[in-house]
Amino acid sequence: QSALTQPPSASGSPGQSVTISCTGTSSDVGRYNYVSWYQQHPGKAPKLMIYEVSKWPSGVPDRFSGSKSGNTASLTVSGLQAEDEADYYCSAYAGSYTVVFGGGTKLTVL
Amino acid sequence: QLRLQESGPGLVKPSETLSLTCTVSGGSISSSTYFWGWIRQPPGKGLEWIGTVYYTGATYYNPPLNSRATISVDTSKTQFSLRLSSVTAADTAVYYCARLLGAAWGPLDYWGQGTLVTVSS
Repeated sequence: QSALTQPPSASGSPGQSVTISCTGTSSDVGRYNYVSWYQQHPGKAPKLMIYEVSKWPSGVPDRFSGSKSGNTASLTVSGLQAEDEADYYCSAYAGSYTVVFGGGTKLTVL
Repeated sequence: QLRLQESGPGLVKPSETLSLTCTVSGGSISSSTYFWGWIRQPPGKGLEWIGTVYYTGATYYNPPLNSRATISVDTSKTQFSLRLSSVTAADTAVYYCARLLGAAWGPLDYWGQGTLVTVSS
């Protein structure tokens, strides 16, 4: 069971779209549709943004969207806003009742 | 509004046991819909799932921590707890408790604010 792979950083200008990838294996991301995405501002607890690949929890704007292709899941943030600047983490079900996280991506709004 | 609050010592000596409790308020810890988990984050690093407990007492652990971690639930106190034995400096982290929706591997939809535990003599 290894951590999911995310790019360390991503950036975009206000109003633009940015996509963050999360690469796993055929044993986790590729096998199950249990991928979640979390947003974490400095000094704060993570916040659930997307679950089961592409579902929105209540209160999360639809500017955030999720998808999956093969062993890679993606989070797209459209219409970037200053408050979207944060760390983003993916997680996935890895089988045998275990959960694995990605290493995190720091999103900068230029 | 559901609230989770971690509590426990902020400083633990190497080789000793880290003990934390999460108190759940504003909702039922005995609901069949939810599981309860512990996640940690070393300073400046990413998130690591430690383990999950169901209100029945069933537990699920991250394999690398399986031999040292014990998670339990006390429904009468609406609390669940984490014990991590034989700690080293590598266990220094912010520890979060959270609710998982629908399954032991479900999305973490409510989080506590986190508590920093430092392992040092």
